[in-house]
Amino acid sequence: EVVLTQSPGTLSLSPGERATLSCRASQSVSNNYLAWYQQKPGQAPRFLISGASIRATGVPDRISGSGSGTDFTLTISRLEPEDFAVYYCQQYGNSPTTFGQGTKVEIK
Amino acid sequence: QLQLQESGPGLVKPSETLSITCTVSGGSISVSNAFWGWVRQSPEKGLEWIGSIYYSGSASYNPSLTSRVTISADTSKNQFSLTLRSVTAADTAVYYCARVASSFVPSAAMNYWGQGTLVTVSS
Repeated sequence: EVVLTQSPGTLSLSPGERATLSCRASQSVSNNYLAWYQQKPGQAPRFLISGASIRATGVPDRISGSGSGTDFTLTISRLEPEDFAVYYCQQYGNSPTTFGQGTKVEIK
Repeated sequence: QLQLQESGPGLVKPSETLSITCTVSGGSISVSNAFWGWVRQSPEKGLEWIGSIYYSGSASYNPSLTSRVTISADTSKNQFSLTLRSVTAADTAVYYCARVASSFVPSAAMNYWGQGTLVTVSS
């Protein structure tokens, strides 16, 4: 199965700063079928991005996804207080679907 | 607004069967543009896809769990359910039901999630 490695494990930033999160796959993700989720404590994951770069309905445009093949990135251009959370990537181009271990974005 | 709500036992004994039901409101599971799935989350394994079902009854499972899991749907009640047999402590997790945002990839991105239900396996 495809192993997704997210880095860094924790990102300590201040509101207004730019966040760059990486998700690297152990093999090429078919059709760039890569999704991103945000999760806050005690809540379910919130769907952000599919197909590596397609924002879900209601996701602000400061959040963007990019990448292809084995290297994918989630960028938050200017961190808002509500953006501090854990972010997960998921690949669904290769069976079985797998998730990364998460990157925590915390307030510095 | 589509809403999903899990209902389950909370505590299951080792070697027994775990059963959780997801009730969907604000939309029908009998639609041709979605699968309905289960994901679990534990500190040890992180997020793990369990499987999903199409309203017609066609189900797909994670190979690591396929020998122990069954997902079924009851369109009359607008519910779908997870059954996991022969549980061990390793099955302790928060179990989420979710809508898969695809009609042709059973394990695609999931755009609506239930709040999750914690299931502990312990005697």
